[in-house]
Amino acid sequence: QVQLVQSGAEVKKPGASVKVSCKASGYWFTNHAMHWVRQAPGQRLEWLGRINAGNGDTKSSQKFQGRVTITWDTSANTVFMELSSLTSEDTAIYYCARDPFLAAAGNSWFDPWGQGTLVTVSS
Amino acid sequence: SYELAQPPSVSVSPGQTARITCSGDNLGKKYVCWYQQKPGQSPVLVIYQNNQRPSGIPERFSGSNSGDTATLTISGTQTMDEADYYCQAWDSSLYVFGTGTKVTVL
Repeated sequence: QVQLVQSGAEVKKPGASVKVSCKASGYWFTNHAMHWVRQAPGQRLEWLGRINAGNGDTKSSQKFQGRVTITWDTSANTVFMELSSLTSEDTAIYYCARDPFLAAAGNSWFDPWGQGTLVTVSS
Repeated sequence: SYELAQPPSVSVSPGQTARITCSGDNLGKKYVCWYQQKPGQSPVLVIYQNNQRPSGIPERFSGSNSGDTATLTISGTQTMDEADYYCQAWDSSLYVFGTGTKVTVL
């Protein structure tokens, strides 16, 4: 079955960067886009960006442009999300989620989701 | 930026019907998805493309979308359906989530 397994919890200081990984299994990795979504404590879900796992093309939310970098390693079926210049407002659970299509668009959805990675930013 | 508004909470008795709304400008012209999230768990897709149900999701979950409002309907609500529900749509190359609705079954 399709499974997304994320890396473990991280604690970072303000100003630092964090890199979260998402290892996929159970499907042809390069046939689907992968998204990153976060959820701050008690808040709604928030989309950060996505990567086309076929060609590495990325797109991110304007809110995070310049701070978020999404990359992939096809040999390891793994997608990475790096967020820089962290502040306390970046404390959240970060999720990866698969797109049903390679070229994510308006008719896409997110299924399944990884188990989530808690990133805590604290001095 | 595009906004999706949901009621903060909905209460329903077991076996009754719960309706959760999601409002946005011209939302009926977009595809809407719905996710269920239980405490401490990752979101789970329950409806995609307005009214399509993924395999494994019970038939009591259904969706509609028209005008400015999308609706998730849970017929014959069960205690296991108690969770937060989020709608999601795509606007200007950005994926937007609703404010979330807590469904309480009592």
